[in-house]
Amino acid sequence: GAGVSQSPRYKVAKRGQDVALRCDPISGHVSLFWYQQALGQGPEFLTYFQNEAQLDKSGLPSDRFFAERPEGSVSTLKIQRTQQEDSAVYLCASSNRDRPFYEQYFGPGTRLTVT
Amino acid sequence: AQSVTQLGSHVSVSEGALVLLRCNYSSSVPPYLFWYVQYPNQGLQLLLKYTSAATLVKGINGFEAEFKKSETSFHLTKPSAHMSDAAEYFCAVTIKRDSSYKLIFGSGTRLLVRP
Repeated sequence: GAGVSQSPRYKVAKRGQDVALRCDPISGHVSLFWYQQALGQGPEFLTYFQNEAQLDKSGLPSDRFFAERPEGSVSTLKIQRTQQEDSAVYLCASSNRDRPFYEQYFGPGTRLTVT
Repeated sequence: AQSVTQLGSHVSVSEGALVLLRCNYSSSVPPYLFWYVQYPNQGLQLLLKYTSAATLVKGINGFEAEFKKSETSFHLTKPSAHMSDAAEYFCAVTIKRDSSYKLIFGSGTRLLVRP
C-alpha cells in the first residue's frame, strides 16, 4: 500500500508569512508524529497524536507552531509568522500501534526555507 | 534521561570492506533501540530494531546490530559495503512518558563508500 505522503515537498516562505504543511499517514495508523530536522542534524520531536487526540506537544518550539488531526487521519502542521530559524525539513511519521516498540513509518518530508 | 550518541559524523569505507557505525545509549530502563537510514531527499527507513527479544538483531540490506548492555552500545555493522549503502544513518531510542512516546535521534553518521 501507499506510504506516508507529505505536501508540499518544498516550500519557500518570506519571513512573517504563515505556512501549512500536510501529512497523509498510512491508512488506519493510529499514531502520528511530527519531527523537525535541521540541516546536518537528526530529527527532533515536535508533537504526537493518537487518533485525533494530541497527547504530546512538548516539542513545539513556540506558540507559533500548531498541529491538528481533526478526524484522526490527515494532519496539518501550521507555522505562523515564520522566522528564519524555522527553516528545516519537517518529517511526518505514522505507526499502526500506540506502543513504543512499533516501527514509525516516515514520509519524505517538507523542506521549508524561510527567506 | 534517555539519549543516544553516535560517534563519528562521517565514516568512509572502501567497497567490500566492513561497515561499523557506532551508537551508545543512555537509559535508566530497558531501551527500545532503532537504526534508520536516510537517502538524500527521502524520509527515514527502518533498518532494524531492538526490543529485548534477542541481543543480535538482523535487519534489511545485510545490516545487523548487537545490543550490549554492559557497554550501553548498539553498533551497526555490515560485513561488506556496497556503493548503494552510501547514506545517512541514525540511531534512535524510544522515550515513553505517560500516554505519549517519541523517538530521540542521534546526530547521525554519514557513510561514504569509495569504489
